[in-house]
Amino acid sequence: DTGVSQNPRHKITKRGQNVTFRCDPISEHNRLYWYRQTLGQGPEFLTYFQNEAQLEKSRLLSDRFSAERPKGSFSTLEIQRTEQGDSAMYLCASSVYNSPLHFGNGTRLTVT
Amino acid sequence: AQTVTQSQPEMSVQEAETVTLSCTYDTSESDYYLFWYKQPPSRQMILVIRQEAYKQQNATENRFSVNFQKAAKSFSLKISDSQLGDAAMYFCAYRSLSGGTASKLTFGTGTRLQVTL
Repeated sequence: DTGVSQNPRHKITKRGQNVTFRCDPISEHNRLYWYRQTLGQGPEFLTYFQNEAQLEKSRLLSDRFSAERPKGSFSTLEIQRTEQGDSAMYLCASSVYNSPLHFGNGTRLTVT
Repeated sequence: AQTVTQSQPEMSVQEAETVTLSCTYDTSESDYYLFWYKQPPSRQMILVIRQEAYKQQNATENRFSVNFQKAAKSFSLKISDSQLGDAAMYFCAYRSLSGGTASKLTFGTGTRLQVTL
């Protein structure tokens, strides 16, 4: 069990640019989740996958956000045309069905 | 939709003492899970303890225990014999077991715990 891995740890980008984050879940975990956390707040659910199927998306996930998990293993979260309000910590977590979630260290995005 | 409320933004406890963090939630469901997660400054969220709503017995994990009051929709965390390493943000979280929202966690806003010498 090597844990949930997220890359990069930090990303600084200019407004209007596209960014992509990667999450590698624990290998036997079939569910993968994306959360967003702003300073002083709890994580907010964005979306989750069971294997390669995206089963739920939050209304927080605007059209500029897209997530994929093409082979049911790693996942990517892309934000197009970034805005300053996108600055946050993006957390990935994985689980086996409804077992407790294991979180990664997150990717901190700063949009300037 | 379910909501989770943590009314204590910050708490402080002396080393070796006991502290209780509060959490209330709102739901119309009868079956669900409740969790406490810890997020140290290194920022990885770590599971502290979980409680299944159908169990009347309060969960315990070493120095951590909960007081689960289902009727009152209250789920507090007690940390006994506090240690410096307990200093962190603590998040209460709710997980439904029904329908399409079955898998996601809903978090509270967190309580920052300071541990002093």
